Amino acid sequence: SQQGEEDPQALSIQEGENATMNCSYKTSINNLQWYRQNSGRGLVHLILIRSNEREKHSGRLRVTLDTSKKSSSLLITASRAADTASYFCATVSGGSYIPTFGRGTSLIVHP
Amino acid sequence: IAGITQAPTSQILAAGRRMTLRCTQDMRHNAMYWYRQDLGLGLRLIHYSNTAGTTGKGEVPDGYSVSRANTDDFPLTLASAVPSQTSVYFCAAEPEAGYNEQFFGPGTRLTVL
Repeated sequence: SQQGEEDPQALSIQEGENATMNCSYKTSINNLQWYRQNSGRGLVHLILIRSNEREKHSGRLRVTLDTSKKSSSLLITASRAADTASYFCATVSGGSYIPTFGRGTSLIVHP
Repeated sequence: IAGITQAPTSQILAAGRRMTLRCTQDMRHNAMYWYRQDLGLGLRLIHYSNTAGTTGKGEVPDGYSVSRANTDDFPLTLASAVPSQTSVYFCAAEPEAGYNEQFFGPGTRLTVL
């Protein structure tokens, strides 16, 4: 069963707009990771945030983590058509060390 | 080789046949994983290996087996394929289980008729 669940399932925006995706999880975690998957390809790692961190940045990406609410968000600023992809969160819980993926958010950025 | 390779890229298989999906990495990562990806269900873990010589069951292990004879190779075997095993299979590797990012292969698209 999925530990992390992304929201929304699908998101459609115009180029230049910001895109925000959320991930909620059920049990305490060691870290949370975000991945991107372009159609027909393997997943590519974007950002890893550990349980003692609150925010991380990488280029146009910003990830926040709120352990009290058991949730994370991925913000893509100034989106581009090339950002069109599915985005997945993966959680690693204490004790198991096995990442669990959510079902993903499908992002479409219209040029 | 750079990263993770998977073979074959795609395969159509008759039900009841035996099939091995190959996965090889050149990063010398300790942990390796097999996932299946089905529409609407995201990625589900089939089997994993924290280090060479050890394996473990994931969320959906039934009908699949793995081996980890060395660090680089992590083959996934379907002993007797069934149509419900039609899926896209991804292999991944990680420096150490649970602490780092995972690196994914390009996937194998398997159709069982």
